[in-house]
Amino acid sequence: RKEVEQDPGPFNVPEGATVAFNCTYSNSASQSFFWYRQDCRKEPKLLMSVYSSGNEDGRFTAQLNRASQYISLLIRDSKLSDSATYLCAVRPPSGGSYIPTFGRGTSLIVHP
Amino acid sequence: DAGVIQSPRHEVTEMGQEVTLRCKPISGHDYLFWYRQTMMRGLELLIYFNNNVPIDDSGMPEDRFSAKMPNASFSTLKIQPSEPRDSAVYFCASSPAKNIQYFGAGTRLSVL
Repeated sequence: RKEVEQDPGPFNVPEGATVAFNCTYSNSASQSFFWYRQDCRKEPKLLMSVYSSGNEDGRFTAQLNRASQYISLLIRDSKLSDSATYLCAVRPPSGGSYIPTFGRGTSLIVHP
Repeated sequence: DAGVIQSPRHEVTEMGQEVTLRCKPISGHDYLFWYRQTMMRGLELLIYFNNNVPIDDSGMPEDRFSAKMPNASFSTLKIQPSEPRDSAVYFCASSPAKNIQYFGAGTRLSVL
């Protein structure tokens, strides 16, 4: 099993739809979790950190499910501008390199 | 804040040539990372530095790749000799700690 796995998609949704992506991780002791957004031919940029209790930022909600070892990103009322690739990053427990490992990303296409 | 600055943005070279990629991290960030991104392998960590010292270079694919950080404001990634399979986007990122990373715009390398 890979350290961090994502469904590459693409997820093709109409404007206004709600869409959710998952990201599974293999190390149950992983410490920190993040979602990054990467636009076509651009660099990844932090979208949001994922907290144990879940967190929300406008139309975006991130959740952590430690029992099943995955994080999720929910986007409500999708906009055309949400079209991008969403990368998850998972930081292993301390004692190792402690550097986040990135998933390969999930592609989202929002159409009119 | 200028962010992480990479140069060149695009590099086209012939197989066997030396390639040098440059990065200026965000001032005050203690960590600097070099990544390679391809469609096949996603975002791969090549090497990272802490306070200018290389900490983990296990991701460097082979001896043709080398990286240096002579001071806190400059790092280079060198490929010598370059091969077509090195074609990818190379990102530099910096971080104040080992969690959230700020990426540069990347160098798109094509080796013919």
